[in-house]
Amino acid sequence: DTAVSQTPKYLVTQMGNDKSIKCEQNLGHDTMYWYKQDSKKFLKIMFSYNNKELIINETVPNRFSPKSPDKAHLNLHINSLELGDSAVYFCASSTPRGLWSNEQFFGPGTRLTVL
Amino acid sequence: GENVEQHPSTLSVQEGDSAVIKCTYSDSASNYFPWYKQELGKRPQLIIDIRSNVGEKKDQRIAVTLNKTAKHFSLHITETQPEDSAVYFCAASETSGNTGKLIFGQGTTLQVKP
Repeated sequence: DTAVSQTPKYLVTQMGNDKSIKCEQNLGHDTMYWYKQDSKKFLKIMFSYNNKELIINETVPNRFSPKSPDKAHLNLHINSLELGDSAVYFCASSTPRGLWSNEQFFGPGTRLTVL
Repeated sequence: GENVEQHPSTLSVQEGDSAVIKCTYSDSASNYFPWYKQELGKRPQLIIDIRSNVGEKKDQRIAVTLNKTAKHFSLHITETQPEDSAVYFCAASETSGNTGKLIFGQGTTLQVKP
C-alpha cells in the first residue's frame, strides 16, 4: 500500500495555465505539507495543514492555493503558471505532534514543467 | 526563523571509506534533527534522527552526533557502499511548537565510487 500518493507524477503545461496536484495519505496522520524542490535540489516548505487547518504559509505567491477537504487529502492549485514554477513538488505527512519526533513521510513527487 | 547550513555540497569517496556531512542550525529552540536520503528520481526518506536530549545515535553503518552548544550536528557513514550514493539532507525542527515545521539544509550529493 502506498502511504502517501500524489497525482499526477508528471505535469507539462504552458505558461499562464492553471493546474492542480492532488495528495492523499493513508497513514492516519494529522499534518500534511507541500514542499517545492528546485533544480538545485533545495527542499523548501510551502504550506502545512493540521486537521484541515492551515498552520504554515510560507512566502509563496498567492497564485498557489492549498486546499484540504479532509485530513487525509491536501491538494495544491496553481494559477497563471510561470516558468519559475517548474520544479518537483512533494507532498508529505507526519505523525501527530509530540516532543520526540516529527518524521515526515514523503509522496513520490510531481514533476511540473512549464513551457 | 531557523536557518540550516549544510556542508559539503558534494562529496566523493571510495567504496569502503567513511563519509561525513555537517550541518549547523541557528535556532536554539530546535530539538529534533532528522537526516533524509534522496536517491535519484525518488522521494526523500528518513534514515536516522536525533533529539536534543541525546548526543549521539548509531544505526549500523550510520551515526549522527549533536553538539547543542555549538549548534551543529553531523552524519557519519562508515564502510560506504555504491548504494549509499544519493543526496542527503539534514533538517531541524522545534517539536514542542504546533507546526512540526522542518527546515532543510541545502543537501549533499554523495558519490561512492566502486
